Amino acid sequence: AQKITQTQPGMFVQEKEAVTLDCTYDTSDPSYGLFWYKQPSSGEMIFLIYQGSYDQQNATEGRYSLNFQKARKSANLVISASQLGDSAMYFCAMRPHSGAGSYQLTFGKGTKLSVIP
Amino acid sequence: DVKVTQSSRYLVKRTGEKVFLECVQDMDHENMFWYRQDPGLGLRLIYFSYDVKMKEKGDIPEGYSVSREKKERFSLILESASTNQTSMYLCATESSAGGAGSYEQYFGPGTRLTVT
Repeated sequence: AQKITQTQPGMFVQEKEAVTLDCTYDTSDPSYGLFWYKQPSSGEMIFLIYQGSYDQQNATEGRYSLNFQKARKSANLVISASQLGDSAMYFCAMRPHSGAGSYQLTFGKGTKLSVIP
Repeated sequence: DVKVTQSSRYLVKRTGEKVFLECVQDMDHENMFWYRQDPGLGLRLIYFSYDVKMKEKGDIPEGYSVSREKKERFSLILESASTNQTSMYLCATESSAGGAGSYEQYFGPGTRLTVT
């Protein structure tokens, strides 16, 4: 079974500053994927970034980067140059790459990010 | 762009009613999912389907059933709605091509269901 822990229920960041959202995970699967999603107040979940457990380099997508530390089982999301539109809930998720559980995304409880002008 | 639509954004039903939540996708994806989202609990998987007429239970299937008669459509059914099923329901879809576990899921806008 997989478990995702997001220890920060809420975070504040000044506009144009960088912010790190924490995510730790627990799994016994040898190969897995890690995901971050954004959920604005409108409700729709928006995919941000993906990291495979065997990827050598940390994933980046525009202003989003994933700080992947496999030995520590952490997959923190870094948002650079925060914008007001970044205010939202952020969810970390994971799934194994094979086996019956590979269909299932396991989500953390989320972190609410508020960007201050 | 993948488009995932859900039949209603907001729904109010009475205890004991049969409730249908419908999800439609236009990208010919094989896999479809129903999640429930509650404050402080994140998203929890109710059911998923990897093909027409095929379904698998997720973490919290009790009180729910699903139907997938056509590839593009996945319905969540509450046979007898109860107040503890008041929640946000999210549908998601993904392609099975390229290997499991590597691709993101695309979500619909969600249905906020209130059972009174």
